[in-house]
Amino acid sequence: SAVISQKPSRDICQRGTSLTIQCQVDSQVTMMFWYRQQPGQSLTLIATANQGSEATYESGFVIDKFPISRPNLTFSTLTVSNMSPEDSSIYLCSVGPTRTDQNQETQYFGPGTRLLVL
Amino acid sequence: AQKITQTQPGMFVQEKEAVTLDCTYDTSDQSYGLFWYKQPSSGEMIFLIYQGSYDEQNATEGRYSLNFQKARKSANLVISASQLGDSAMYFCAMREGVTNFGNEKLTFGTGTRLTIIP
Repeated sequence: SAVISQKPSRDICQRGTSLTIQCQVDSQVTMMFWYRQQPGQSLTLIATANQGSEATYESGFVIDKFPISRPNLTFSTLTVSNMSPEDSSIYLCSVGPTRTDQNQETQYFGPGTRLLVL
Repeated sequence: AQKITQTQPGMFVQEKEAVTLDCTYDTSDQSYGLFWYKQPSSGEMIFLIYQGSYDEQNATEGRYSLNFQKARKSANLVISASQLGDSAMYFCAMREGVTNFGNEKLTFGTGTRLTIIP
């Protein structure tokens, strides 16, 4: 299984600023995903982080607001830009199986980043 | 239309009793997969169990089993002998299309908050 860490674990930010969230995996993985969970809500996929190419964004999410980097097979960042209180959420990264446990039907999640925008 | 429907926003169950959490889904794909995740108050998403659309046997993982009724498009999670530590949010999720072994985006339901009563 994959061990995933996220930094920061939580933050309180002022509106209009930006925050970059890091996701680190202990093994190489093919796909990394970024989800948002607004207070009391379910998870919504923001984008798929592709290594070596631009991220693929879901409807309603744009690169200018949520730029994503994926420099290698173990690391990705999500930036929440020009934040407003509506961006207050938990942001979670998830990954598919590691290269040592391929063909396993599991998707692992990081511990999440709790963001509060004032 | 909702792709994943969880009709029980909250449930209270006596400790040591079995509990069934409902999940119905909507897809036109023949190949798909269904996941259950547990989210404690800490916010992490814990993978519990997976069922593929072509799997003939219901999935089981320890105290967790998935009651898969394909014709009814339901994938209910059954927790046997509930424990206090089972109190959490539970999310049903679906992967549509042919599997890429965990490397696919998931669509989540709205979740069920389970509270185990001592």
